[in-house]
Amino acid sequence: EVQLVESGGDLVKPGGSLRLSCAASEFIFSNAWMNWVRQAPGRGLEWVGRIKSKTEGGSADYAAPVKGRFTISRDDSENKLYLQMNSLQIEDTAVYYCTNGSSWFGPWGQGTLVTVSS
Amino acid sequence: DIVMTQSPDSLAVSLGERATINCRSSQSVFYSSTNENYLAWYQQKPGQPPKLLIYWASTRESGVPDRFSGSGSGTDFTLTISSLQAEDVAVYYCQQSYISPFTFGPGTKVDI
Repeated sequence: EVQLVESGGDLVKPGGSLRLSCAASEFIFSNAWMNWVRQAPGRGLEWVGRIKSKTEGGSADYAAPVKGRFTISRDDSENKLYLQMNSLQIEDTAVYYCTNGSSWFGPWGQGTLVTVSS
Repeated sequence: DIVMTQSPDSLAVSLGERATINCRSSQSVFYSSTNENYLAWYQQKPGQPPKLLIYWASTRESGVPDRFSGSGSGTDFTLTISSLQAEDVAVYYCQQSYISPFTFGPGTKVDI
């Protein structure tokens, strides 16, 4: 069964940085397009960005609210996905999910909570 | 960006009755070269991550009960639960993947 396990969520002050990780197993990670999706407390889902497989170029694209502040990367040797978050803002407070897919998303990890607060 | 809207915001349905959720995109999500609509539906139960139910507007994900069905094309789509079960209480989201940034609808809460 496909497993995605996020980690790295924490309480951080505005302007701070954080790196999230997602450990993948039971599928061929190197072939997968991977995404980060977030959900603010009590709110809906917001796509953060995605990274293509290296065979498809390995490029990443981002939603406008995080472009220039967040960077998605991958380590196919370790089956891991990363989200580097810089210049964090209060509005970035959310549960961050990693998920597999180039067009639709599934399965999803359980998520990791990022709280941005002074 | 493509804006996704859903209606209603919430609905209450009796057990065994039909639930219908509508989703509209601000532009067509039909890709003529593949003849597919790039529209998916997700279910999110309280305290859980979302779960993919339907993709390409009408294709059920493996393991999803056949009481869930999707329809529509272009800009207007519908998720139907033909006979609501207690375990279907959740928030349902539509999502377009026609063009980045991928966008979700605001969600529809389904209760008994």
